[in-house]
Amino acid sequence: EVQLVESGGGLVQPGGSLRLSCAASGFTFSSYWMSWVRQAPGKGLEWVANIKQDGSEKYYVDSVKGRFTISRDNAKNSLYLQMNSLRAEDTAVYYCARGTRWGLFDYWGQGTLVTVSS
Amino acid sequence: QSVLTQPPSASGTPGQRVTISCSGSSSNIGSNYVYWYQQLPGTAPKLLIYRNNQRPSGVPDRFSGSKSGTSASLAISGLRSEDEADYYCAAWDDSLGVVFGGGTKLTVL
Repeated sequence: EVQLVESGGGLVQPGGSLRLSCAASGFTFSSYWMSWVRQAPGKGLEWVANIKQDGSEKYYVDSVKGRFTISRDNAKNSLYLQMNSLRAEDTAVYYCARGTRWGLFDYWGQGTLVTVSS
Repeated sequence: QSVLTQPPSASGTPGQRVTISCSGSSSNIGSNYVYWYQQLPGTAPKLLIYRNNQRPSGVPDRFSGSKSGTSASLAISGLRSEDEADYYCAAWDDSLGVVFGGGTKLTVL
């Protein structure tokens, strides 16, 4: 059974940093593109970033470029999102998702809440 | 303001057929596949339709997708109470990456 379990969310002050993790199991992690998708409270879905199987290609939404870094460790079956210079508008539930580069997300984690507030 | 435009709400009675539209442009829907996601209250999204009109295993054939030019649609036939959820379309945009519609809240009356 495919499982994606996010962790690392919490309350952080504006300008602060946080690192999210996603532990994958039940499939060959190194064979799939992986993504982060977020959802602000009461709002819609927003794709944040994705990464190729070997980490050689990474794409980001404009609003996080230069502040967020997506990475993966295939030996540990884990996906990460390093978030720096956090802003109030980054407050959201962050989902880890398996899929393709193009927008197909076939498995999702349960999400981890990031709150940016003083 | 989402790159893909969906109606904010839709409704129908049990057994009815409802459609949800998703409008984009030549840089996204017009040149790439469309995906649809269902999000039940308090849960993570679920893939409903991929590559415009393909259903993953386990998704009932009551759900169907179509695409024409720069627009796409999700149709739900034989509406059931458990279909009450938020529905999102998504596509790759050649300049912006993956883009989602703003979501449509479906109410089963």
